[in-house]
Amino acid sequence: ETGVTQTPRHLVMGMTNKKSLKCEQHLGHNAMYWYKQSAKKPLELMFVYNFKEQTENNSVPSRFSPECPNSSHLFLHLHTLQPEDSALYLCASSQGRGNQPQHFGDGTRLSIL
Amino acid sequence: GESVGLHLPTLSVQEGDNSIINCAYSNSASDYFIWYKQESGKGPQFIIDIRSNMDKRQGQRVTVLLNKTVKHLSLQIAATQPGDSAVYFCAENRLSWGGSARQLTFGSGTQLTVLP
Repeated sequence: ETGVTQTPRHLVMGMTNKKSLKCEQHLGHNAMYWYKQSAKKPLELMFVYNFKEQTENNSVPSRFSPECPNSSHLFLHLHTLQPEDSALYLCASSQGRGNQPQHFGDGTRLSIL
Repeated sequence: GESVGLHLPTLSVQEGDNSIINCAYSNSASDYFIWYKQESGKGPQFIIDIRSNMDKRQGQRVTVLLNKTVKHLSLQIAATQPGDSAVYFCAENRLSWGGSARQLTFGSGTQLTVLP
């Protein structure tokens, strides 16, 4: 149990579908993150939220839309995805944005048909 | 260019032996480093971290060494066990492009396999 819960664990969707990924952290952290993990590539940071405010968007296509209603919950809304978007999407949280470890959930394995 | 890299993509060790996983970084401004372990089907799990004002830190069966002179980081696992088989990532905390905050930048990972 990592304290960061992601749902669903697996998702298969067509390119025209709309779906959302959910992340919830039970660690009392203030910062939350979305990462993309593709095979044999380093983790890619997508979005950062600190105290519910988006502080970074690493040039992510607009077909990915994050939402952070409070410090414990983070969503990633998906629409009109491409096959190359198939990957493991990881959520993480940390206590602040300084030199603190990030704690990860187990990810959502996304497959785009 | 700046990068966080690992010397070897795979490492095999005998059960009971010590493991050493290496990582090189090139951003001399990085002041915080983390090692993560990722098992199949799971997210990265925090193992140990170290700040740049230290050159060694020990945890339970793990030791991280930091050599700022050559920008090198290593993770040592004592008495390696089958449960240690996983991909190990190093990450450095560097300033984001805007310079307003720090973000973790990860290496590609080393697959550690423990042989019986």
